[in-house]
Amino acid sequence: AQTVTQSQPEMSVQEAETVTLSCTYDTSENNYYLFWYKQPPSRQMILVIRQEAYKQQNATENRFSVNFQKAAKSFSLKISDSQLGDTAMYFCALTMDSSYKLIFGSGTRLLVRP
Amino acid sequence: EPEVTQTPSHQVTQMGQEVILRCVPISNHLYFYWYRQILGQKVEFLVSFYNNEISEKSEIFDDQFSVERPDGSNFTLKIRSTKLEDSAMYFCASSQDFGGREQYFGPGTRLTVT
Repeated sequence: AQTVTQSQPEMSVQEAETVTLSCTYDTSENNYYLFWYKQPPSRQMILVIRQEAYKQQNATENRFSVNFQKAAKSFSLKISDSQLGDTAMYFCALTMDSSYKLIFGSGTRLLVRP
Repeated sequence: EPEVTQTPSHQVTQMGQEVILRCVPISNHLYFYWYRQILGQKVEFLVSFYNNEISEKSEIFDDQFSVERPDGSNFTLKIRSTKLEDSAMYFCASSQDFGGREQYFGPGTRLTVT
């Protein structure tokens, strides 16, 4: 069975600093995709970043980057220059070529302090 | 920018009543999904839909649930006889391709069963 684990229920960071959110996953499939979604208080799910398992290069989207360690099955999200608007719940998610569904972790609540 | 829309934003219903949640996916997307999130918990997959039929469903998606694409734009989730435990946020999502392509989420419908 595929699983996604986020071991940090809550994190906080000072505005303008850098924070890293952790995620580990488990799948027996060779081809899969990993995502980070942001859920602000409005509860809208917003795609932050995506990584294909067959790509060695870590994905980057502006202030957001990932550290994808395939052998360790680890997929962490780094937020640089944190902004107040980054305050949200962050979910790590996994999908495979063999399935249509996204499997989510339990989420990490991030608070950016002014 | 195209987006997934959902109506209503909040639905209150009595236990045993039928509800229909509506979604308009992004127009050139071919794959459609429903997820739910009970307050404070992770996002859970319910069902995926492609080419006018269910592609995959979870164990949550029992006989009380059904999905339909009644026309070229709407995608609906029906709960025939609501239970208290159906109270949750229901998210619709769509994607251009299955598997590794990004799923874009609607703003959600908050369902409250009393």
